[in-house]
This record gives sequence, structure tokens and C-alpha cells, in this order.
Amino acid sequence: AQTVTQSQPEMSVQEAETVTLSCTYDTSESDYYLFWYKQPPSRQMILVIRQEAYKQQNATENRFSVNFQKAAKSFSLKISDSQLGDAAMYFCATQGGSEKLVFGKGTKLTVNP
Amino acid sequence: DTGVSQDPRHKITKRGQNVTFRCDPISEHNRLYWYRQTLGQGPEFLTYFQNEAQLEKSRLLSDRFSAERPKGSFSTLEIQRTEQGDSAMYLCASSDWDSNQPQHFGDGTRLSIL
Repeated sequence: AQTVTQSQPEMSVQEAETVTLSCTYDTSESDYYLFWYKQPPSRQMILVIRQEAYKQQNATENRFSVNFQKAAKSFSLKISDSQLGDAAMYFCATQGGSEKLVFGKGTKLTVNP
Repeated sequence: DTGVSQDPRHKITKRGQNVTFRCDPISEHNRLYWYRQTLGQGPEFLTYFQNEAQLEKSRLLSDRFSAERPKGSFSTLEIQRTEQGDSAMYLCASSDWDSNQPQHFGDGTRLSIL
């Protein structure tokens, strides 16, 4: 069974600053994917970034980057130059051995002007 | 690409009634997924289809739940004899297995049981 743990229920950051959201996971699969999804209030879940476990290089998408530590089963998300539009619930998820995504409980990010 | 479409956006019903939700995936996406999200939690997997074949079902999908994707395009999720615990957001997602696409989600259907 796969599990995902997000230990920070809520985080806040000042506009233009950098924030890191934590995620740890557990899986017995050797080949798997890791994801960060963003869910703004009353809006749809949007993919932020995806990491393939066999790739050592950390994925980046513009202001979003990950720190993937495979041995530690850690997958944190760094948001640089935070913007008001980054405010949302952020979910870490894993997919491996099955097509289903397994999500953590989420971290609510508040961006202060 | 019009995105994943779900209907209705919100459904209010009395306990014991049957409800049906519809999901239209992104065109040409051959995989379609259903998830349930309760307040303060991440989405939980219910089931998924590859074209019209239902390939995996979660233990969460009790006998009162049934999902179909008859022609490999849109899908329906029916809940019979609804209970208070069924109140949740029901999310649909789709992906293209051939190109290893990630899952794209719809806006969801929020079910409220009175």
C-alpha cells in the first residue's frame, strides 16, 4: 500500500518570498511518479509538477521546483517569488503499481500581501 | 481541449434517494477516474476505466455505488439509497495512457445529503 504524509496543515508566506511545502511518502513500488497538485477554493485541481522516481534530476516548472530525496522518501515543493494567485490547497500524491493517485491530506497555503 | 466536464456542480438530495453524476473527459483521453473528497481530506480513489472497461475498484465503492462508461466516452457514477456519509465532492479525472499523460481533473460534483 502507498501512503502520503503532509505534516503541515497550513503554511503562510509573504508575497514575493519563498516557501517550501513538505511531503513524505511510502511505497513498495520501484517505479512510480510523484505529483504536486494545487486546488484553489471552489476550483478544480491543477497539476503543478510531476517527478518520475527513476530520474535523479529534480523537476522544475517556472517558479515551482521540487527537492526529491528518494532514499528518505521525501518530496518537497518550493515556490519562489510567491504570488497572491498561489494561495490554495496543495496536495502531494504518488502513483505506482496502479493507475490510481494516492493523495496526502493537503497543506493550505496563504499568501500575504 | 475543453477540459474535463462534470454535471451537476452541486446536488442536494434527501437521504435514501438515488443520485447520478456525469463526467465528460477530455476528448481522446482513454482513461477516466473517479475520486471522492471529503472536507479537510485529499481525494480518495474510487474506480477507473480504460475505454469502456472498468479495471479497478476501491473498497470504498460499496454495493450502493456503480460506475459505467458504456461507449468509452462519458461516464456516470450512481449512488443508490444515499446516506449522510456520502456527502462529499466527487471528482472525475481523465488521462491519455498512450502518451503517459498525468490526470486532469474536473471541477467536481458536490453532493449534500439532507
